[in-house]
Amino acid sequence: LAKTTQPISMDSYEGQEVNITCSHNNIATNDYITWYQQFPSQGPRFIIQGYKTKVTNEVASLFIPADRKSSTLSLPRVSLSDTAVYYCLVGGAGNNRKLIWGLGTSLAVNP
Amino acid sequence: DAGVIQSPRHEVTEMGQEVTLRCKPISGHDYLFWYRQTMMRGLELLIYFNNNVPIDDSGMPEDRFSAKMPNASFSTLKIQPSEPRDSAVYFCASSFNSGGPLSYNEQFFGPGTRLTVL
Repeated sequence: LAKTTQPISMDSYEGQEVNITCSHNNIATNDYITWYQQFPSQGPRFIIQGYKTKVTNEVASLFIPADRKSSTLSLPRVSLSDTAVYYCLVGGAGNNRKLIWGLGTSLAVNP
Repeated sequence: DAGVIQSPRHEVTEMGQEVTLRCKPISGHDYLFWYRQTMMRGLELLIYFNNNVPIDDSGMPEDRFSAKMPNASFSTLKIQPSEPRDSAVYFCASSFNSGGPLSYNEQFFGPGTRLTVL
């Protein structure tokens, strides 16, 4: 199963764009790349997922290069409420719905 | 829909006691996952079911842990006997296979059960 590597923590300020990069060198052909967000005392919540190139929704963008060995979650103009832990995951498609979760990136947004 | 429902939200017990955690997945979802989260190890998948059948239990730490899914709307995770190192937050999540074999299924998490074993 593909393992991911992402920074343990990041700091930012309100209004800035935040980019969190994740590496997944042994991603499989069928694997999707997915990001979840977790607030304290809550379960993780799906943010965005993609397979290749760029995906954008109302809260974030996901950039995936052609080799798919890494991906970057981009949060535009963060606010204090974006302070959370962000998890990068690969897999979950096909017959194996199993996802390997790491420790995530703890993002602190400062005023 | 109320989302994934877990009970109890908090459980404090003594070492050696049996603990049963309960989960009601979102109606219509055909996958159910049990996770454990600690500061040291992060979020770990314990077991997951598809159409009430256990598919992968390789994450279950030892024989003290067992999980069942008697029907599509209910699952339990049991620890017997419990130990202090089992203290963690236990999450249940569910998802729906909306497409073909290569489709991705977003997981919806419950609020978790915070277990403390003294």
